[in-house]
Amino acid sequence: KAGVTQTPRYLIKTRGQQVTLSCSPISGHRSVSWYQQTPGQGLQFLFEYFSETQRNKGNFPGRFSGRQFSNSRSEMNVSTLELGDSALYLCASSHNLGTFQETQYFGPGTRLLVL
Amino acid sequence: GESVGLHLPTLSVQEGDNSIINCAYSNSASDYFIWYKQESGKGPQFIIDIRSNMDKRQGQRVTVLLNKTVKHLSLQIAATQPGDSAVYFCAETRQGAQKLVFGQGTRLTINP
Repeated sequence: KAGVTQTPRYLIKTRGQQVTLSCSPISGHRSVSWYQQTPGQGLQFLFEYFSETQRNKGNFPGRFSGRQFSNSRSEMNVSTLELGDSALYLCASSHNLGTFQETQYFGPGTRLLVL
Repeated sequence: GESVGLHLPTLSVQEGDNSIINCAYSNSASDYFIWYKQESGKGPQFIIDIRSNMDKRQGQRVTVLLNKTVKHLSLQIAATQPGDSAVYFCAETRQGAQKLVFGQGTRLTINP
């Protein structure tokens, strides 16, 4: 079974631009979560989607948004990019049949550099 | 607030020795814990998990111990190999939380 895939793997943008990242979960997984990883802040939760609905959101500004499609694939968007948005963005998927006590499997991440 | 922390940011061990990586958590409501391994340029890889109704769980060369009294989690790696070099994260969650809270990570380096 294929793992979580993320595209693109690397991205360079300039301040003020917007970016869309894509995540394809493991087949059969309906929950997709997004995390931001930086050297200073570590791994921080952005949001989680299940059956096309956002169920939880972390403490990030409204510039960070996401969505999930009927096939469970998910995208996240960051508008008006700032230098501090440079990070590794990780997507994770799980079965999540009603609770969150299930293993999340991570993709390789998208490395975003904002200049 | 919620926090999951690690006692040591770096750990250096001799090849063949056992490694012990520690993690403290502050949320007593947490009931599910996961250890991840992250190699350079890759996403976190699941190693082992444990639920709060257990004190110990073993996998292949790895053991996770949970002490709910002091809110402490540890990962033991037996006979450490060069391929074990990575950053190790503990993460916690609880039913209904719908998110993982990660520790800052411990970098494990293996000396030949």
